Amino acid sequence: SQKIEQNSEALNIQEGKTATLTCNYTNYSPAYLQWYRQDPGRGPVFLLLIRENEKEKRKERLKVTFDTTLKQSLFHITASQPADSATYLCALEANTGNQFYFGTGTSLTVIP
Amino acid sequence: EPEVTQTPSHQVTQMGQEVILRCVPISNHLYFYWYRQILGQKVEFLVSFYNNEISEKSEIFDDQFSVERPDGSNFTLKIRSTKLEDSAMYFCASSRDRVSYEQYFGPGTRLTVT
Repeated sequence: SQKIEQNSEALNIQEGKTATLTCNYTNYSPAYLQWYRQDPGRGPVFLLLIRENEKEKRKERLKVTFDTTLKQSLFHITASQPADSATYLCALEANTGNQFYFGTGTSLTVIP
Repeated sequence: EPEVTQTPSHQVTQMGQEVILRCVPISNHLYFYWYRQILGQKVEFLVSFYNNEISEKSEIFDDQFSVERPDGSNFTLKIRSTKLEDSAMYFCASSRDRVSYEQYFGPGTRLTVT
């Protein structure tokens, strides 16, 4: 069956450190992978998209890697700030197209 | 900055009643989606809509659900006969095209079925 798994535990890190979140998937052949941020009671907010032919993508303090062999994406937040505290979701498009599946999310808390 | 809007923000209904959740996607977007999120659980895909018809739907989107784009701006999700397990946050999303794939989500409608 198809699965998208993210860090099962909540992640607590000290302000200024780098947070690394993991997204592993099985039985998908995604052409790209997306990362979203979700705050409590709010809709997800798009952060980054990385395509299968891209190894790494950066946007300000965010960095995403995509390894289609390992079937894994890593999401990094450098110089983390308390305002980065949120749940981070990875999402894939189904093999049939235009149908998107989200991971369970990783709750990140940045401690001042 | 343009945004997706949803109404109402909270809907309380009795089991068996019909509800219509409304969304106004971003005006130049072509692809529209409904998702739901049961409290504490993951975001689940319900349906995608393009060119005035359903593009894809999940197993959750059974005969009790329907979507419509009644005019050039609104996108609605109807649940014909609500069940207790339909209680969830329902998110509408839209995207401009299939190149960027970036989805913009609305703030959600919290549906409570009693």
